[in-house]
Amino acid sequence: DLQLTQSPSSLSASVGDRVTITCRANEDIRSYLAWYQQRPGKAPKLLIYAASTLHSGVPSRFSGSGSGTDFTLTISSLQREDVATYYCQRHDRDPLTFGGGTQVVIK
Amino acid sequence: EVQLVQSGAEVKKPGDSLKISCQGSPYRLTNYWIAWVRQMPGKGLEWMGIIYPGDSDTRYSPSFQGQVTISVDKATTTAYLQWSSLKASDTAMYYCARPVVPDAFDAFDVWGQGTMVIVSS
Repeated sequence: DLQLTQSPSSLSASVGDRVTITCRANEDIRSYLAWYQQRPGKAPKLLIYAASTLHSGVPSRFSGSGSGTDFTLTISSLQREDVATYYCQRHDRDPLTFGGGTQVVIK
Repeated sequence: EVQLVQSGAEVKKPGDSLKISCQGSPYRLTNYWIAWVRQMPGKGLEWMGIIYPGDSDTRYSPSFQGQVTISVDKATTTAYLQWSSLKASDTAMYYCARPVVPDAFDAFDVWGQGTMVIVSS
C-alpha cells in the first residue's frame, strides 16, 4: 500500500520566515497530491491539489511543487494564522492515504 | 454556500451500536463521492472509506474494512458511518468530506464540522 512520509514532523519558525514541508511517496503518484491545513479544533481545509494548484481563496504565500514521489509545500512568509498541522494526501485512487502531518508553530 | 452537516456528538459504552450522519446542503449528494475520515485524540487524519451515492459503490481502507459500514440514503441525501459494536479505541472525531469535482476521486474541498464519538464504560 502507498505510504506518504512527511518531514519534518514539527517545526518552529519566526513570522516572515520561509517554511518548507516535504511529502515523500513510496510509489509514483504523478501529480495526484493535495495539501491540507488543520488549525487546532477545526476541520481540515484544502490548500493545494494536483500538487501545485492553489485552491480558491487560499493566500498566494502557499505554494506546492513536485511530481512522482517527492512533493513540497512552501509558505513563503509565515504568518501567525498559519499555526496549524499540515497534511498531504494522494487523491487519485483508493485508499486515499494521508501523510502523518507536520505541526507548524511560531518561534 | 455548500456545506456538509454532521450529526451531533455521541457518548456510548463499549459494545453499543452507533450510526452517525452527514447531509449535504443545499446540494444533493448524488453526484459526489463522500468520504469518512477519522482523527483520534491528538493524532493525524486517517482515510476510512468512501461511497458514491449514485450507485452506492463503496471502498474501504484495509485498516477499516469489516470494522465499520458506510452507507447512503439517496432520498434524503444523507451518508452514514456505522458501528455494530463500539470499542474504546473508536473514540475519535469523525469527519465527512466531499471532493472538488463530481463523479471522481479528488482532493476534498468541503468538510463537515466533525462528529465526536466517545466510547467509555
